[in-house]
Amino acid sequence: DTGVSQNPRHKITKRGQNVTFRCDPISEHNRLYWYRQTLGQGPEFLTYFQNEAQLEKSRLLSDRFSAERPKGSFSTLEIQRTEQGDSAMYLCASSPTLGPDTQYFGPGTRLTVL
Amino acid sequence: KQEVTQIPAALSVPEGENLVLNCSFTDSAIYNLQWFRQDPGKGLTSLLLIQSSQREQTSGRLNASLDKSSGRSTLYIAASQPGDSATYLCAVSFINTGTASKLTFGTGTRLQVTL
Repeated sequence: DTGVSQNPRHKITKRGQNVTFRCDPISEHNRLYWYRQTLGQGPEFLTYFQNEAQLEKSRLLSDRFSAERPKGSFSTLEIQRTEQGDSAMYLCASSPTLGPDTQYFGPGTRLTVL
Repeated sequence: KQEVTQIPAALSVPEGENLVLNCSFTDSAIYNLQWFRQDPGKGLTSLLLIQSSQREQTSGRLNASLDKSSGRSTLYIAASQPGDSATYLCAVSFINTGTASKLTFGTGTRLQVTL
């Protein structure tokens, strides 16, 4: 296992369409995080899972956004009825339950909404 | 509101120079502070993690310091190389945000090391 993986790496969609992204964390990591990063900004926290439980959601995560981690392994982030303002890099990170809580980030999924 | 600020926003230095990147945060009640590197269009690579109880961490040519009372951290890069060119992000885990796992990021310092 070489790290956190995310698919797809790039997604172009038209406004109003639904999109789904996948994140596969490092295999022994119980914690999984989603962040969103727009151009020239630092990442912003969206949501966090401990195993399959979603423990926190940011106010940035509107009703159009939903995240799941059904078996405590991979996670999906779905955006319904996409808007141009959703265009951003969506980053996933994972960390082990024990240890210094260093978060290991994936390469991200770049979403462009036309 | 907990915020993280990084100055300068951009920095250009000739190869071989030592340099310091600055990070400030508004609330001294923190779990830890992390420095990340991000190459254009890529994800983040963790460089150093400083726990609340620590003053500094070192890894190779990198040294990060933490002064909780003043709400400041610095990342020192010795003998800079062109391969160090990237955006450097500071991220803080604040105690009063509900979870130790939520990171609040600064906007980054874009570093260019020239030949």
